[in-house]
Amino acid sequence: DAKTTQPNSMESNEEEPVHLPCNHSTISGTDYIHWYRQLPSQGPEYVIHGLTSNVNNRMASLAIAEDRKSSTLILHRATLRDAAVYYCSTGSYNQGGKLIFGQGTELSVKP
Amino acid sequence: SAVISQKPSRDICQRGTSLTIQCQVDSQVTMMFWYRQQPGQSLTLIATANQGSEATYESGFVIDKFPISRPNLTFSTLTVSNMSPEDSSIYLCSAKGYSGTDTQYFGPGTRLTVL
Repeated sequence: DAKTTQPNSMESNEEEPVHLPCNHSTISGTDYIHWYRQLPSQGPEYVIHGLTSNVNNRMASLAIAEDRKSSTLILHRATLRDAAVYYCSTGSYNQGGKLIFGQGTELSVKP
Repeated sequence: SAVISQKPSRDICQRGTSLTIQCQVDSQVTMMFWYRQQPGQSLTLIATANQGSEATYESGFVIDKFPISRPNLTFSTLTVSNMSPEDSSIYLCSAKGYSGTDTQYFGPGTRLTVL
């Protein structure tokens, strides 16, 4: 199972872009990279996932390094509601997609 | 998407007792999982709940301590047996389709305190 490493915390100003990094140097060729976020007293919420190519959705963008050993979650304009713990995880394609979570980055957003 | 509910949402239990947590999904799903989240920590996968067969446990978790049932495609239970204060955690259920590309959805969690 691939291990992921993230910074413990990051700060951002409201309405500025945020780049959340994740290292997954032992990722296998068929593992997807997933990002979730968790607000206090709630279950994790899906943000985005990808395999090799960069991905965009209404919440965020995911930039994946060419060697797939790292990725970056990009929030284009941080809002106060984006303050949460962001988890990078890898999902095994061949084992039903079970997710192995990293330690998470606590993002704080300043007004 | 899938909506997942868990019962109970929280409980306070005495040492040595057992608690069964229920997880209900609003649509048929292939994969269901149980996670533990200790205070201030990340999520740790306990097991994959397999429909009609024994659950697949991760390293460090055993069936005698965390028996799991999955009688159909929308329901699963996790029992925390012979509890000790170290079992105080949030227990989360999740569900998804089989493909590695499918989104995994999480329940709100069950907050367990063992005295």
